[in-house]
Amino acid sequence: AQSVAQPEDQVNVAEGNPLTVKCTYSVSGNPYLFWYVQYPNRGLQFLLKYITGDNLVKGSYGFEAEFNKSQTSFHLKKPSALVSDSALYFCASYSSASKIIFGSGTRLSIRP
Amino acid sequence: KAGVTQTPRYLIKTRGQQVTLSCSPISGHRSVSWYQQTPGQGLQFLFEYFSETQRNKGNFPGRFSGRQFSNSRSEMNVSTLELGDSALYLCASSPVGQVNTEAFFGQGTRLTVV
Repeated sequence: AQSVAQPEDQVNVAEGNPLTVKCTYSVSGNPYLFWYVQYPNRGLQFLLKYITGDNLVKGSYGFEAEFNKSQTSFHLKKPSALVSDSALYFCASYSSASKIIFGSGTRLSIRP
Repeated sequence: KAGVTQTPRYLIKTRGQQVTLSCSPISGHRSVSWYQQTPGQGLQFLFEYFSETQRNKGNFPGRFSGRQFSNSRSEMNVSTLELGDSALYLCASSPVGQVNTEAFFGQGTRLTVV
């Protein structure tokens, strides 16, 4: 069965420091991997995706993610965190056409 | 282009009642999926509709059902509500629901069962 794991429930970072939110996956076939962000009382917003090609994927709001096939990881990164980045982040993969499997979510807290 | 619209935003129901939630996808999107979000279980897939047909289904009891209309709008119904059905219900749309395409989410309907 396909699965996505986010090992950290919470990540705390000081503003201006780099941030990393971790994600590992277990999928059969080609992995199609996504990151979404959820702000309080809002739906999910797409950040970026890996389908094929370059292992470093750039997305919205200065975020990027690195696909590592040997480590089956797809970590989300940002060089310099902003307080406004504080939110709930979900890593996701498609189990089949249109059925998204989400990780458990990581709450990112950026302190001023 | 208008986003995904879910109505109502908030709902309070009593155990045993039934409820219908509505989702209007982005214009031109034919795939609509529903997800349940709870603090304990996270985000769980309910079902997906494409061109008025249920194409995929998650592991939820038969009390949870849905449908899609010819204009791609979708409704989700929960019958005989239980306290554990309290959750944020999210709807997502995409053009055809392909594995390499991101989904666009609505703001959700917050259902509280008392």
